[in-house]
Amino acid sequence: DVKVTQSSRYLVKRTGEKVFLECVQDMDHENMFWYRQDPGLGLRLIYFSYDVKMKEKGDIPEGYSVSREKKERFSLILESASTNQTSMYLCASSLTPLYGYTFGSGTRLTVV
Amino acid sequence: AQKVTQAQTEISVVEKEDVTLDCVYETRDTTYYLFWYKQPPSGELVFLIRRNSFDEQNEISGRYSWNFQKSTSSFNFTITASQVVDSAVYFCALSELGNTGKLIFGQGTTLQVKP
Repeated sequence: DVKVTQSSRYLVKRTGEKVFLECVQDMDHENMFWYRQDPGLGLRLIYFSYDVKMKEKGDIPEGYSVSREKKERFSLILESASTNQTSMYLCASSLTPLYGYTFGSGTRLTVV
Repeated sequence: AQKVTQAQTEISVVEKEDVTLDCVYETRDTTYYLFWYKQPPSGELVFLIRRNSFDEQNEISGRYSWNFQKSTSSFNFTITASQVVDSAVYFCALSELGNTGKLIFGQGTTLQVKP
């Protein structure tokens, strides 16, 4: 069964901390994505990557960065966590737009 | 610009009722794909259906059916004889062929099916 795995289900961090959210896929997909989900706003794209070491900004990249050193792993980094980054973070991967995405289970991050 | 609108924020029905979730999209492309995903309380989004812009045939899968109408830019989702297990957040999404795989999601509709 194909999988996208997010390392943490729940995370609580303090304001100003550097936070790493990890995502690993076992489908050999080229494309990987990070979204955040907030009530009433749906899913908003933070960053995405089409290949190793490549990254593109999504719609709300401010306050975030990403790393893709290996094809299967795509990390989201909050350089200095703030309370407005409290959210559900969803990672996804895809082969082509034709097939949509496979999602991870999400990481619910609370910044206090 | 591409956009997906799900005007219904929350819907509550009683088990066995039929329910339709609306989805309206905007795009300038002639080739695009539309999707529906289900997000149960566990959090993981589950793929339900994909439709390309050249295929306007309606689709039925068990109790689920989808109505795609290019004339009104809508891709609505109907659950027949709803069940408690259908309770979830449902997302409609759009992907343009020339947009390198990005999915644009609607705001989501929370469906509550009461016993």
